[in-house]
Amino acid sequence: EAEVAQSPRYKITEKSQAVAFWCDPISGHATLYWYRQILGQGPELLVQFQDESVVDDSQLPKDRFSAERLKGVDSTLKIQPAELGDSAMYLCASSTGAGTHYEQYFGPGTRLTVT
Amino acid sequence: GDSVTQMEGPVTLSEEAFLTINCTYTATGYPSLFWYVQYPGEGLQLLLKATKADDKGSNKGFEATYRKETTSFHLEKGSVQVSDSAVYFCALSDHTGNQFYFGTGTSLTVIP
Repeated sequence: EAEVAQSPRYKITEKSQAVAFWCDPISGHATLYWYRQILGQGPELLVQFQDESVVDDSQLPKDRFSAERLKGVDSTLKIQPAELGDSAMYLCASSTGAGTHYEQYFGPGTRLTVT
Repeated sequence: GDSVTQMEGPVTLSEEAFLTINCTYTATGYPSLFWYVQYPGEGLQLLLKATKADDKGSNKGFEATYRKETTSFHLEKGSVQVSDSAVYFCALSDHTGNQFYFGTGTSLTVIP
C-alpha cells in the first residue's frame, strides 16, 4: 500500500540553526499539506499545495518558515532560524484533490526538538 | 473563526464497554466533519466523515452523526476492543475545503 514518506523521523537542533524536513506524497496525489502538531494539541495546518502552487499559507509564520514543492511532487519545509517554541511534530499529508471529499493520507511525521 | 472542541482525556474503558467521545464545533457556513485515529507509533488515519447535516459516518463499528442543531459530531462505539486503544481527533473542514481544524485529541485506553 502506498504511503506518504517523511524524513528525517527525528531531528534535534539548536536554536538559531536552520532545519529542513522532506515529504514525498503518494504518487499521483496533487494536493499536499504540512501540519504542525505541538505535544498535547491537534495538528495545525501550515500550508497547502495544489501541484506546485500554494493554495493557502495563511498560518505559516513566514518570517522564519518556508515551504516549496518545485516540481509538484515532493516538498520541503524549512525553518530558519529555529526557536525553542518550534519543538513539535511536523506532519505531511497528501490527497488526490483539494477539498473535503478527498481523504488526506498522513505520513509518520518528523519530531523536531529545539534545544 | 472556525474551531473544534473535543472532550479531554485520557479515557480508560474495559473491553466491550460503550464509548462516547464528545466533539462540538464552531463554523461559518457548512463545514464537513471528520474523526481521525492515531494508533501508537503510526500516522493519523481517517476513521469516518460526514459532509452535511444529519449524515452519519461509520467505519469499523464506530459512528458519528453530524448534528447541526447542536453543532456536534460525537463519536460512539457500542463495544470497544483492546485494539481500539489510540488517540482520536475530531476535525472540521471549512466551507471552502481549504482550511482544516483539529481538536486536541482524546486518548483512549481499553483494558482487557
